[in-house]
Amino acid sequence: AQTVTQSQPEMSVQEAETVTLSCTYDTSESDYYLFWYKQPPSRQMILVIRQEAYKQQNATENRFSVNFQKAAKSFSLKISDSQLGDAAMYFCACPSGNTPLVFGKGTRLSVIA
Amino acid sequence: DTGVSQDPRHKITKRGQNVTFRCDPISEHNRLYWYRQTLGQGPEFLTYFQNEAQLEKSRLLSDRFSAERPKGSFSTLEIQRTEQGDSAMYLCASSWGKETQYFGPGTRLLVL
Repeated sequence: AQTVTQSQPEMSVQEAETVTLSCTYDTSESDYYLFWYKQPPSRQMILVIRQEAYKQQNATENRFSVNFQKAAKSFSLKISDSQLGDAAMYFCACPSGNTPLVFGKGTRLSVIA
Repeated sequence: DTGVSQDPRHKITKRGQNVTFRCDPISEHNRLYWYRQTLGQGPEFLTYFQNEAQLEKSRLLSDRFSAERPKGSFSTLEIQRTEQGDSAMYLCASSWGKETQYFGPGTRLLVL
């Protein structure tokens, strides 16, 4: 069974607009972090934002924020005021069992000028 | 700190040859991870170390794959008798405990 599901293989957004990337996950961990990573065409993975599961407050990092729904095991990423440099693959990740991080298949985000 | 580094960045080899990749983590990090990433997919976990102890290796793809971290600093990933299906990007990451993993630039392997 897929532990991390990103249901949107591709998304596009107009420059300066807002876009939300979805992620659902499954973990038996009781205390864990959830992560969104970005991988631009140069392929180096960059941390976008992380959420501590025991915190109810949604994490925010500049134009990036999450909507964390622990009961629903949902962890979506919102990008506000999208910029051309935001174009990349975005991966959601969470721990599962003996695997420190399991990644979703990713969402390719295009930003239209 | 210069971040996680990996060497080489690119490797082309012939089927049946052995290859070894090196990863230098962020100096204060005690955990080091190896992943494989194929085109269009997310990273796939292979193995990880806490200091010099290999805590999980059941996800290594076959017995041709092995990893070491002898002094708890840098790590090597070796693939013996390479096959064309081993062609992929091999990523290394490091962290302090369960905190955020920071990734290196990867080693792209092509097996001819």
